[in-house]
Amino acid sequence: QQPVQSPQAVILREGEDAVINCSSSKALYSVHWYRQKHGEAPVFLMILLKGGEQKGHEKISASFNEKKQQSSLYLTASQLSYSGTYFCGPTPRSNDYKLSFGAGTTVTVRA
Amino acid sequence: DTAVSQTPKYLVTQMGNDKSIKCEQNLGHDTMYWYKQDSKKFLKIMFSYNNKELIINETVPNRFSPKSPDKAHLNLHINSLELGDSAVYFCASSHSQRNTEAFFGQGTRLTVV
Repeated sequence: QQPVQSPQAVILREGEDAVINCSSSKALYSVHWYRQKHGEAPVFLMILLKGGEQKGHEKISASFNEKKQQSSLYLTASQLSYSGTYFCGPTPRSNDYKLSFGAGTTVTVRA
Repeated sequence: DTAVSQTPKYLVTQMGNDKSIKCEQNLGHDTMYWYKQDSKKFLKIMFSYNNKELIINETVPNRFSPKSPDKAHLNLHINSLELGDSAVYFCASSHSQRNTEAFFGQGTRLTVV
């Protein structure tokens, strides 16, 4: 079952912040986050393995609440390079062979 | 060296034809995937293989037949192509036991006319 992401799309000006939410109907072991730029393949951003753990990549950070079966991605002081479609991929167990994504969230950062 | 490579990058073909897409990874991963991405960017998992064995088949029409000759390769053969098969197909690989990142190939843009 695919995760649900919100919002579907967001438009930002450089320097603004945004939050992308990801929720799953299943209990989670970890959550992957990927970014896909137009015409390219998805690229890994980070994995969150523990409930409540936050990780960061540049000024992009994420949190994982395993009780709520949710993860959030925080884009802080957005840059033009942050534009793209962001996908979360929750996994229910440690040796999962099914990395399933949702519809993604399209982020457009304007100067 | 490219970690996950797919060929061809572009494929234009007529309805009813049969075509194959090849994927190879040189990362030593034990799990490989095929994803279909439609025009709305929804990245949908189609198949997952672990150590050459089919693990996941996500209600994909049986016109799609994956084949994994060894752990480093996962090919996708599509029979009797239909207009609705037009999409970008991505191959990816990961290591199942380490819960680490998945690496994606460059994608194959399939256009059925």
